[in-house]
Order: sequence, then structure tokens, then C-alpha cells
Amino acid sequence: DGGITQSPKYLFRKEGQNVTLSCEQNLNHDAMYWYRQDPGQGLRLIYYSQIVNDFQKGDIAEGYSVSREKKESFPLTVTSAQKNPTAFYLCASSIKRERFEQFFGPGTRLTVL
Amino acid sequence: DQQVKQNSPSLSVQEGRISILNCDYTNSMFDYFLWYKKYPAEGPTFLISISSIKDKNEDGRFTVFLNKSAKHLSLHIVPSQPGDSAVYFCAASMNYGGSQGNLIFGKGTKLSVKP
Repeated sequence: DGGITQSPKYLFRKEGQNVTLSCEQNLNHDAMYWYRQDPGQGLRLIYYSQIVNDFQKGDIAEGYSVSREKKESFPLTVTSAQKNPTAFYLCASSIKRERFEQFFGPGTRLTVL
Repeated sequence: DQQVKQNSPSLSVQEGRISILNCDYTNSMFDYFLWYKKYPAEGPTFLISISSIKDKNEDGRFTVFLNKSAKHLSLHIVPSQPGDSAVYFCAASMNYGGSQGNLIFGKGTKLSVKP
């Protein structure tokens, strides 16, 4: 059945290490997004991609990087330059950017020790 | 500066009664609004949406009301059920410009429905 998968559910890394979070969708959606959620906060947009091989910075892109080599995949790398990487990361997709309903994956909880 | 505000961090309601969750926005260019429901350690799930050309949209127990002049929307849940206990996020979007399609989220309201 169709959906968005994120792996792993929980991830632990040492400070100074880069880490890549996986996001895969089989909904045939064009647009994909990465958000970050911190306790008591709403979701904040990190990066988004409207089409393969194209992506744009969101509101809090510093310290993150993405790629969109395939329509189904939109991995997010949290680099050592991200000052506060511990957070809950959510991937989402939508049919296209003009259709506003975004569908979310289950999320990855990243803890940097 | 928050463009979408949910001023009540939490709300407690008795089972069977109405739950009313509120959301205010500041950007008059927003023309589409959504409500999402989120359980802990899970991704949000889409609940209901409304376009700025409407003032009400209903789906089963869920109704969203939009007051454009007040830049205010609300989500009504009737009757409330214990399974509705979750964090509810309000989100807004605009259909033009470089940010087209991007959702701006409020901080959420935690709803607790007591049996």
C-alpha cells in the first residue's frame, strides 16, 4: 500500500558527525518536504523539492543538505554545522505544490550525544 | 514573527462535548488553511481544510470555520471522543509567489478528551 516511509525511527549520533535521514514515498507525488519539530513548537520547513534534481531552502536550512535524484526519494543530511540537531524530523509529500494537502511520514527522532 | 498562532497550548474537554480549537493568522495573503492531528512520535495526519472563498467546511464530526475579517479560524469537534486526544496543528498557505504551496504551522494545541 502507498505511503511515506522514514528510517530509522530513532537515530543516535555523536556530536560532529554527519547523519543522513531517509525518506521514501510511493505515492507518485511530485513535491517533497522536510520539517523539524522541537518540543512545544510547530513544524518548521527545512528544505523542499518540487521536482527531481531541484530543491529550495526553507526557513531553517542552515546546517542541512538534501538531494532529489529520484522522484521517490528525498534524503536529508544533518551536517556537523547544524548547531542544535537533536529534534524530531518529518518528511512530507504532496501531489504538487499547488495542492496544499501534505502527507507525512512517521518521523525520525535524532539525538546527538 | 509568528504568522500562524495557536494561543492555547492545551484544552481539556469531557467526552461527548464540543471541542473548539482556535487559530489566528497575520498574513492576509494566506488563502488556504488546514488542520492536522498528531499523536506523539508520529507524523501529522491531515484532518480538514478550507479555502478562503468559504467560511465553513464540514466533514463528519469536524467543522472548520473561517472568519477572514478577523483573520481567525476554528476547528469544532462534535461530539468529542477520547481517541481525539492529540495535538492539533493549524497551517496556512498562499497560492502565489516563491512560497507557493509551503505550509506555515502554528505551535499546536494539545487536546485531552476525558471519559
